[in-house]
Amino acid sequence: DIQMTQSPSTLSASVGDRVTITCRASQSISDWLAWYQQKPGKAPKLLMYKASTLESGVPSRFSGSGSGTEFTLTISRLQPDDFATYYCQQYNSFSTWTFGQGTKVEVK
Amino acid sequence: EAHLEESGGGLVQPGGSLRLSCAGSDFTFSSYSLAWVRQAPGKGLEWLSYISSSSATIYYADSVKGRFTISRDNTEESLFLDMSSLRVDDTAVYYCVRNEYYTGMDVWGQGTTVTVSS
Repeated sequence: DIQMTQSPSTLSASVGDRVTITCRASQSISDWLAWYQQKPGKAPKLLMYKASTLESGVPSRFSGSGSGTEFTLTISRLQPDDFATYYCQQYNSFSTWTFGQGTKVEVK
Repeated sequence: EAHLEESGGGLVQPGGSLRLSCAGSDFTFSSYSLAWVRQAPGKGLEWLSYISSSSATIYYADSVKGRFTISRDNTEESLFLDMSSLRVDDTAVYYCVRNEYYTGMDVWGQGTTVTVSS
């Protein structure tokens, strides 16, 4: 099975900061990677798919990059609404879907 | 806007059974693949099961294979998860999701809580 590893697990940042989260796959997944945002007590929300395509309605301060085994999610200027937990997910293996363990973006 | 709503969660004893349901609305339910994802308290997301639009293709995570059964009724626009031999570590919020081939899991329900405890 493909394993997904995110880093860091927790990230402390301030409003206006540029934030980068990394996700690594245990084997190549091409660009079959999605990013989700989850706030406490709420369902996850799709932010990005195919590694770098922004879901409709998601602010342009979010961007994604990478292919193969290494991927990044970047928030160009962190806003108060962005404090949340972020998950990557591979969907290259179309019989199992694997999430990273999550990265919590907290107030510094 | 597409909407999914789960129901059926609750408290069940270890070894017991439970059926979760998920109602879809505002999209062509029968055209989309669906899945169940869960989140244990304070933990990350875990994919559990997938079902194609026609029910022809079904997959399960190893953690639930043989204990959980996914099914759907396109005429009723409903998705189901039949859970048996429940264990304490099945305690989680269970989410119904629309699972698109190209875009991933693009629509999520609000979740239903399952607690397995004696």
